[in-house]
Amino acid sequence: DAGVTQSPTHLIKTRGQQVTLRCSPKSGHDTVSWYQQALGQGPQFIFQYYEEEERQRGNFPDRFSGHQFPNYSSELNVNALLLGDSALYLCASSFNQGPEQYFGPGTRLTVT
Amino acid sequence: AQTVTQSQPEMSVQEAETVTLSCTYDTSESDYYLFWYKQPPSRQMILVIRQEAYKQQNATENRFSVNFQKAAKSFSLKISDSQLGDAAMYFCAYRSPSGGSNYKLTFGKGTLLTVNP
Repeated sequence: DAGVTQSPTHLIKTRGQQVTLRCSPKSGHDTVSWYQQALGQGPQFIFQYYEEEERQRGNFPDRFSGHQFPNYSSELNVNALLLGDSALYLCASSFNQGPEQYFGPGTRLTVT
Repeated sequence: AQTVTQSQPEMSVQEAETVTLSCTYDTSESDYYLFWYKQPPSRQMILVIRQEAYKQQNATENRFSVNFQKAAKSFSLKISDSQLGDAAMYFCAYRSPSGGSNYKLTFGKGTLLTVNP
């Protein structure tokens, strides 16, 4: 049973560039959430996708956008990167209203 | 808005001993879920244990158990017979009840647990 997978593992970008992170949910899950975890902090909710629609969004600017595909996989896009966007980006999957979220290994983004 | 507070930035325990990690939360909801997640240096966030607020019985998973005090809004994690592999950052998390429109997990800042051999 495949768990949540994310790619790439690490990424280095320059300020102003754009980045796309990818996530495949755990088998049987249809909902994907994205979190940003700054160094030494707890994860912060970015948004959640269900049925290919963003159904809840956290306090993040419009530079952060996402997409969910018919196979339930998801992408997180960040435009006009800032130094402060450097963080670990975590994807979590769940089953619709199910309360438990299962996390992937994360993508470490460094903006220079 | 819900908040989660972990007042112990760091804790340490001797191998085979017991340790308790604290968590308090603030909410106006009467039904909700609480979780403890473990994040080792590998970064993968692992679900340790879950508690439904409507259940009076404290959840238990092998060596991990919780002390859920709903009136006090307290949710502590007890690790018995600590093992070297338990060393990690532990996060307490809150989720609103199913059927509503709030799907996110709200996390505390974490407690770094060190296990000494």
